[in-house]
Amino acid sequence: QTVVTQEPSLTVSPGGTVTLTCASSTGAVTSAFYPNWFQQTPGQAPRPLIYGTTYRHSWTPARFSGSLLGGKAALTLSGAQPEDEAEYYCLLYYDATWVFGGGTKLTVL
Amino acid sequence: EVQLVESGGGLVQPGGSLRLSCAASGFTLSSYAMNWVRQAPGKGLEWVSYISSSSSTIYYADSVKGRFTVSRDNAKNSLYLQMNSLRGEDTALYYCARVAGRDFQHWGQGTQVTVSS
Repeated sequence: QTVVTQEPSLTVSPGGTVTLTCASSTGAVTSAFYPNWFQQTPGQAPRPLIYGTTYRHSWTPARFSGSLLGGKAALTLSGAQPEDEAEYYCLLYYDATWVFGGGTKLTVL
Repeated sequence: EVQLVESGGGLVQPGGSLRLSCAASGFTLSSYAMNWVRQAPGKGLEWVSYISSSSSTIYYADSVKGRFTVSRDNAKNSLYLQMNSLRGEDTALYYCARVAGRDFQHWGQGTQVTVSS
């Protein structure tokens, strides 16, 4: 069974920078996994942030960026805002299935 | 404006069945593949099923294979999830999501399914 692993929790200071990662139990994550990133706040549906590893949606603030880093998919937040406090999920594609990471609880403090 | 509205959730006994619907508006459903994703209370997201725009390709997560059936009626702008042999672990908020390629670009607000006696 494929497992996608994210940091359970991270803390960033307002205005600071933080990187969330997304690892695959099958090995290195590449662009072929089409990494997606989502933000979810309590009581709300997931909000898409990044697709295809690096592409922002039209509504995604420029302070969010996606990349591949050390064999993982990565989401970097530069200049954290209080409203960025949320749960973040990555999603990877595996040839006819998709697997979500367990989520990272990001605290802006 | 793209809108996805799920319905059909509710309370069902273990072993029972339920049919979820997802009504699409603001775009042509026949042009897009769709997915179902669920989230158990207090837990993370779990991908459930994929259906291509023409229904020619369908995938399921192992956890629901053989019990759930995804379908769509493009003429009615609707996506469906028939859920049979329901278990307690199927209790979750069920979302439909529009996909472009591998981009999960639009999500509904979800419909709650509770499996309990």
